[in-house]
Amino acid sequence: DIQMTQSPSTLSASVGDRVTITCRASQSINSWLAWYQQKPGKAPNLLIYKASSLESGVPSRFSGSGSGTEFTLTISSLQPDDFATYYCQQYYRFSWTFGQGTKVEIK
Amino acid sequence: QVHLQQWGAGLLKPSETLSLTCAVYGGSFSGYYWSWIRQPPGKGLEWIGEISHSGSTYYSPSLKSRVTISVDTSKNQFSLNLSSVTAADTAVYYCARTTVTRYFDFWGQGVLVTVSS
Repeated sequence: DIQMTQSPSTLSASVGDRVTITCRASQSINSWLAWYQQKPGKAPNLLIYKASSLESGVPSRFSGSGSGTEFTLTISSLQPDDFATYYCQQYYRFSWTFGQGTKVEIK
Repeated sequence: QVHLQQWGAGLLKPSETLSLTCAVYGGSFSGYYWSWIRQPPGKGLEWIGEISHSGSTYYSPSLKSRVTISVDTSKNQFSLNLSSVTAADTAVYYCARTTVTRYFDFWGQGVLVTVSS
């Protein structure tokens, strides 16, 4: 399996901050990467696919970049609704695997 | 608007079989794969397996020996069976619509399945 490693595991930030989360793959996955947001007690919600394509309805303050083995999710100006856990997922090679998650907390 | 509604038994004893069903409302059923994903309490996401509308299945190697996913296209439903459960299978189980490139764009609400004697 391709291993996905996110950093940091927890991030403390304030409303209005620019936030960056990193996801690294154990081998190249080209751009076959998605990002999800999950709030407590809820199912994950797709934010980004193909590394940088914004899912319909997702605010433009979310952006993704990267290719190969290193990827980032950036929130340009953190809003109160953005405090959540974020997961990356590779879909380059079966079986599909997720990062361990990054929790964005209120500072 | 696509909506996934899932249901199934929430409390099992060790060695029993977990059974969940997911119904899909809206959108195309035939143009996608359909996945099951689980999340142990306080932990991350684990993909279990997927099925196409025609019944082709792909399972996680770590669970393959215990997993069966089936589909009922007449009802736009798909189901998960996981046999011989143990406490390690305690998790919230999600169904999800899976694109042809294999990311997950719509999810069910999740069902907590607890395995306890």
